[in-house]
Amino acid sequence: DGGITQSPKYLFRKEGQNVTLSCEQNLNHDAMYWYRQDPGQGLRLIYYSQIVNDFQKGDIAEGYSVSREKKESFPLTVTSAQKNPTAFYLCASSIQTSPVNEQFFGPGTRLTVL
Amino acid sequence: AQSVSQHNHHVILSEAASLELGCNYSYGGTVNLFWYVQYPGQHLQLLLKYFSGDPLVKGIKGFEAEFIKSKFSFNLRKPSVQWSDTAEYFCAVIDTGGFKTIFGAGTRLFVKA
Repeated sequence: DGGITQSPKYLFRKEGQNVTLSCEQNLNHDAMYWYRQDPGQGLRLIYYSQIVNDFQKGDIAEGYSVSREKKESFPLTVTSAQKNPTAFYLCASSIQTSPVNEQFFGPGTRLTVL
Repeated sequence: AQSVSQHNHHVILSEAASLELGCNYSYGGTVNLFWYVQYPGQHLQLLLKYFSGDPLVKGIKGFEAEFIKSKFSFNLRKPSVQWSDTAEYFCAVIDTGGFKTIFGAGTRLFVKA
């Protein structure tokens, strides 16, 4: 089955620790995105990547980092600098570098900082 | 800056009632518009999209949306809802040629059987 996988589904971390969220797609899509979803705030863009080895900051990039070494993978690291990291994180991809085409979403990772 | 406003955060309807969810955006240029849906326990998925042409767009499961440029609106409608339409609905906008999709805050719809 083609799609986007995110792991783990639930993640707990202690304050001060960095944590990396996985996102893999086998749709052969060029572009990939990371969003943060908080109740009542919709989805906010953290980072996006239009092509391998290139990525841009979204609206709330502070405290996060990404890499795009392979077309199918776009991991997100939540660093200790992120002030309020507890949230639901969604990864998405689209077929062209312009997301005029629809975005396909993964199942999400719920991160809780203890 | 672009923004998307969804008027209702929570909507409760009985089965067979008609649905209209409001969506307004702020952007002066040409835009592409989307409605996404997140059913309980499922991935966020595309419901319908508008790029150009007929402003009345048909989507999956009997949903439709009308783009009214003069009102900067893209309201979602369904004549008769079902219990299975219980979900969270997100309106989204992107300027043509852009790369950042802006999402609304979402509307949680609960349909009573």
